[in-house]
Amino acid sequence: DAGVTQSPTHLIKTRGQQVTLRCSPKSGHDTVSWYQQALGQGPQFIFQYYEEEERQRGNFPDRFSGHQFPNYSSELNVNALLLGDSALYLCASKRGTATDTQYFGPGTRLTVL
Amino acid sequence: AQTVTQSQPEMSVQEAETVTLSCTYDTSESDYYLFWYKQPPSRQMILVIRQEAYKQQNATENRFSVNFQKAAKSFSLKISDSQLGDAAMYFCAYVTNFGNEKLTFGTGTRLTIIP
Repeated sequence: DAGVTQSPTHLIKTRGQQVTLRCSPKSGHDTVSWYQQALGQGPQFIFQYYEEEERQRGNFPDRFSGHQFPNYSSELNVNALLLGDSALYLCASKRGTATDTQYFGPGTRLTVL
Repeated sequence: AQTVTQSQPEMSVQEAETVTLSCTYDTSESDYYLFWYKQPPSRQMILVIRQEAYKQQNATENRFSVNFQKAAKSFSLKISDSQLGDAAMYFCAYVTNFGNEKLTFGTGTRLTIIP
């Protein structure tokens, strides 16, 4: 039973560029959430996708956008990268809309130079 | 604002001993769920234990147990018989019901196991 997978593992970009991160949920899960974890901090909620729609969004600018595909996988897009976007980006999946436990992927480490 | 506070940035414990990590939270909701996640150097966030707020009985998972004090909004994690593999960052988190399903995390406690 495959867990949550994310790609790529590491990514280096320069300011102003755009980046796309990918996530495949755990088998049987249909809800995907994205979190940003800055160095030395706890994860911060970016947004959640269910049935290919954004259900809930945290306090992040519109430069952060996402998408969910029919197979429940998801992408996180960040435009006009800033130095402050350097962080570990975590994807989490769960079943349905209830407060089921969220399971996390290994994350993508994004460095913006 | 809904917050989670972990007042111990770092803790250390001798191998085979017991350690308790503290967590307090602030929410106006009555129905919510609490979690402890472990994040080793590999970065993968791993669920350690989960507690439903409506349950009075404290959750246990093998060597891990919690002390849930709802009135005090306290949710501490006790690790018994500490092992070297327990070394990691530990994050306390909660999620409320009724459409607000984002996990709110604390800032974490770094646990070191002394051989």
